[in-house]
Amino acid sequence: GDSVTQMEGPVTLSEEAFLTINCTYTATGYPSLFWYVQYPGEGLQLLLKATKADDKGSNKGFEATYRKETTSFHLEKGSVQVSDSAVYFCALKLNAGNMLTFGGGTRLMVKP
Amino acid sequence: NAGVTQTPKFRVLKTGQSMTLLCAQDMNHEYMYWYRQDPGMGLRLIHYSVGEGTTAKGEVPDGYNVSRLKKQNFLLGLESAAPSQTSVYFCAIRDRPTSNTEAFFGQGTRLTVV
Repeated sequence: GDSVTQMEGPVTLSEEAFLTINCTYTATGYPSLFWYVQYPGEGLQLLLKATKADDKGSNKGFEATYRKETTSFHLEKGSVQVSDSAVYFCALKLNAGNMLTFGGGTRLMVKP
Repeated sequence: NAGVTQTPKFRVLKTGQSMTLLCAQDMNHEYMYWYRQDPGMGLRLIHYSVGEGTTAKGEVPDGYNVSRLKKQNFLLGLESAAPSQTSVYFCAIRDRPTSNTEAFFGQGTRLTVV
């Protein structure tokens, strides 16, 4: 079945450090890929997405590139802020499917 | 999280008790989902609905029932709560099943079964 694997956290960084959160997937078809963010005490919010190979999603300084050859969608940010502290979820959805499949989530903690 | 309201936000149940979680939306979206979130396991789909009067099983449906009598509401029921159902429950909605539009999530319901 379809699945998403993320690096386990927590990831602890100092402010202005470079961030990478790895995400790889397996899918029977051609998925769209998503990153969702969950701030403390809140539900999930869409951060960025990519719908086909080599697409780059970007938002709020975060980027992720859909790499079909490595089945990956790694999340990156050049300079993190304390306000980026949250849990980040990688997810996929088959284009003809109804459901999002989520990874286990990665908690990011950014220290001043 | 605008447009998706979950009630209650917190609940403690004793083993064997029953309860219903309500998800209400004001965005007129067709699809509604119930997920549970457990540490290290991400979100797992319990049940979902593609429209009023329809429901379908997700990845972990056992021990739960759902109903979608009105388009704007999606109810999740636990008939006989078990400690394994201690979790945070999220409702999500999405427009148009074949599009790649984003899903909108409620703020969650934290349920503890003792």
